[in-house]
Amino acid sequence: EPEVTQTPSHQVTQMGQEVILRCVPISNHLYFYWYRQILGQKVEFLVSFYNNEISEKSEIFDDQFSVERPDGSNFTLKIRSTKLEDSAMYFCASSTQGAGNIQYFGAGTRLSVL
Amino acid sequence: GENVEQHPSTLSVQEGDSAVIKCTYSDSASNYFPWYKQELGKGPQLIIDIRSNVGEKKDQRIAVTLNKTAKHFSLHITETQPEDSAVYFCAAPRETSGSRLTFGEGTQLTVNP
Repeated sequence: EPEVTQTPSHQVTQMGQEVILRCVPISNHLYFYWYRQILGQKVEFLVSFYNNEISEKSEIFDDQFSVERPDGSNFTLKIRSTKLEDSAMYFCASSTQGAGNIQYFGAGTRLSVL
Repeated sequence: GENVEQHPSTLSVQEGDSAVIKCTYSDSASNYFPWYKQELGKGPQLIIDIRSNVGEKKDQRIAVTLNKTAKHFSLHITETQPEDSAVYFCAAPRETSGSRLTFGEGTQLTVNP
């Protein structure tokens, strides 16, 4: 069964460093998302991406964050200068269509900012 | 924007009993309601979803009911098994914005053998 894959599974970085989290969405999907989950809390929306541009972003997704689809398969989330409070699980998701369609989630990347 | 509330935050049942988790939402325009199961160290996995044109949907031991008038929907798991132990999240889209999902706070379900 097709699945969303994320790498790395765990990323440790120093505060102020840049990190890039990588995702390979399901191949025929057109909509891509990043969510995050701080330990013990609910899953929070960060950004959605369609047709090579951001379609929506949350208040969490500030200027330190960016997303990119550098080729036909990868979808990346970049955090320019990490802060301690960026430590969380980051989940990538994809769907065939937008609103009202199933979003399939990857296993996540645990980001630890020291 | 959409606000989703989920209860209870923890639920402990004996194997074979039923479990019910409830969610309310605020955006009356929402028309799609998924439930996700998250096991330790893994991403959320969709277990069932319902659209607003039906009031109930069932898939083996799992069912979801929707009351659009009251703006609440519930997950029902019958004949629970230890492998049902996980965190369950309800979600609803924020229809004014499209596909973004707003999640509930989660319910830690523990099924005791």
